[in-house]
Parts: sequence; C-alpha cells; structure tokens
Amino acid sequence: SQTIHQWPATLVQPVGSPLSLECTVEGTSNPNLYWYRQAAGRGLQLLFYSVGIGQISSEVPQNLSASRPQDRQFILSSKKLLLSDSGFYLCAWNRDYGYTFGSGTRLTVV
Amino acid sequence: GIQVEQSPPDLILQEGANSTLRCNFSDSVNNLQWFHQNPWGQLINLFYIPSGTKQNGRLSATTVATERYSLLYISSSQTTDSGVYFCAVAGGTSYGKLTFGQGTILTVHP
Repeated sequence: SQTIHQWPATLVQPVGSPLSLECTVEGTSNPNLYWYRQAAGRGLQLLFYSVGIGQISSEVPQNLSASRPQDRQFILSSKKLLLSDSGFYLCAWNRDYGYTFGSGTRLTVV
Repeated sequence: GIQVEQSPPDLILQEGANSTLRCNFSDSVNNLQWFHQNPWGQLINLFYIPSGTKQNGRLSATTVATERYSLLYISSSQTTDSGVYFCAVAGGTSYGKLTFGQGTILTVHP
C-alpha cells in the first residue's frame, strides 16, 4: 500500500535561518507531488507541484523553493526564513484520483 | 481561478444529529474532493466526487456539476466527526492542482 512520510512534525526556527522539509512517498511510482501551506485560519494554499523528477511549478511567488531530486522525494526549502513563513506545511501525492496528505509540519518562525 | 465557497462556516451538533455541508464553485470542474481535518491536523480524503453520488458508511456526497455545487451529508454524527471539512476543486488543465474552500468547522457534542 502507498504511504507518505513527512518530517519533522514541528519546527521552531529563528528569522533568517534556512529551512528544509522533506516528504517521501512509498508504494507507488511517478506520483504527482504537492506542497501546501495552511496559515492561521483554515484555507490551504498550493505552493508547489511536481509531475516528475526535476519538474517543479510554483504557484505563489515567495521566499520558498522546492526540489524533487528523486521520483518519490519532494523537498521544501528556504535560504532565509521570514516571520510570514510560519504555518502548517502539508505534502500530498496523487496519481489518478484522490489526494493523500502527509501528517504535516508545523513551522514557527521566531 | 476557480472560487470555492463552503457553508456553513461553523456547525455545532449534538451526537446523533444529521447535517449537510455545502460547497459552491464558480466554474466547471473535473476534480472535486472532500476532506476531513482532525484536531491534530491530519487531512483525510473522504470522497473523490467530480459528479454523481457516493456513500461510505454514515457519510455520503453528491455533486451536481451542471449547477456547480456539492453536498456532504453526515448522518448520526459522532464526537469523532468533529474537525474541519474541506471541499477542494480543480478544472480544465489544472486537474491535480486543487483549490480549497475555507472549510466548515464541525463540533459534535456528546
């Protein structure tokens, strides 16, 4: 069966520090991969999506970047965090139909 | 892009009650999903339902694509149903890139 792993679960980082969040999928090949952010409030905003290795599309101009070095690995990065980068970051994958989300990383920038 | 509006924003029920959550969208879609986010932040896919009706236990969903709305029914609600329910849609060539509504916060009291 397919599983998705996302870590760390929580992270407190100072302003100006770098960021690396990792997401891996098991039990499938060539998944579509997504990074979403859920800020205070409720809605989820799509940040990046990828349909293959090295193929990244950005949906929102921002301080973040994404990479897909392997078929089932998706990484969210920042060189210098801002206070506004705080939020709940969720990785997701799909092939044909429904999404499966990871358990999320709660990032607090202080 | 597609606009997604969910109603009601908040809903409080007694255990055993039934409820209907609504999702309106502004354009034709080829992908519509309902999710439940539990108090720990985990998002669970409930239905992939771009059209038609589906049922899974006490939950069922109906999407009337021509009239641009979807309904999620919860029968005999339980305290474990509490959380946030999201509708998410995509259309055209944006098939996998979901736009989320702001969610309905459901609280079920014992």
